[in-house]
Amino acid sequence: AQKITQTQPGMFVQEKEAVTLDCTYDTSDQSYGLFWYKQPSSGEMIFLIYQGSYDEQNATEGRYSLNFQKARKSANLVISASQLGDSAMYFCAMSRKTSYDKVIFGPGTSLSVIP
Amino acid sequence: DSGVTQTPKHLITATGQRVTLRCSPRSGDLSVYWYQQSLDQGLQFLIQYYNGEERAKGNILERFSAQQFPDLHSELNLSSLELGDSALYFCASSVAAGGTSSYNEQFFGPGTRLTVL
Repeated sequence: AQKITQTQPGMFVQEKEAVTLDCTYDTSDQSYGLFWYKQPSSGEMIFLIYQGSYDEQNATEGRYSLNFQKARKSANLVISASQLGDSAMYFCAMSRKTSYDKVIFGPGTSLSVIP
Repeated sequence: DSGVTQTPKHLITATGQRVTLRCSPRSGDLSVYWYQQSLDQGLQFLIQYYNGEERAKGNILERFSAQQFPDLHSELNLSSLELGDSALYFCASSVAAGGTSSYNEQFFGPGTRLTVL
């Protein structure tokens, strides 16, 4: 069975600093996708970044990058130059590439950016 | 704006009642997913439809049912409501059912917040 673990229930970061949000996963599949979503206090789920299990390079999207270490089964999200608007819940998620029938979400990490 | 619409935004009802949540996917998306987000259970996958057919089932109670119509909008029906059904219900859509795309990015609607009193 697939499982996502996010061990940091809450994180604080100073504005303009970089922060790493941890995510480890467990799967027996060889082909899968890893995602990060942001959920601000308003409640909507915002897609941030994707990493395929066979992608050789780490994914980047603007200030977001995914530090993918396949052997360690980790997919940490790095946010550079934090902004006050980055304060939100962040969810790591994964799905099987063969069918993509559902996405499994981790428990989330609450990030607070301090001015 | 993700392009996925959900109505209503808020719903307050009593135990034992039945409600229907509605979702319209992004234009061109064939897959619709329903998720439940509660404080104690986190974000849980409920069910997926692809082009009108049920594709996958997750932790969906027997009191809950869903369908996807020919115009691809979807409805989630919740019946015999209990206090524990109070949650934020998300609908998400994606282009494919899986396998044919490089990945299956899902776009989430704004959610329907259900409160059962």
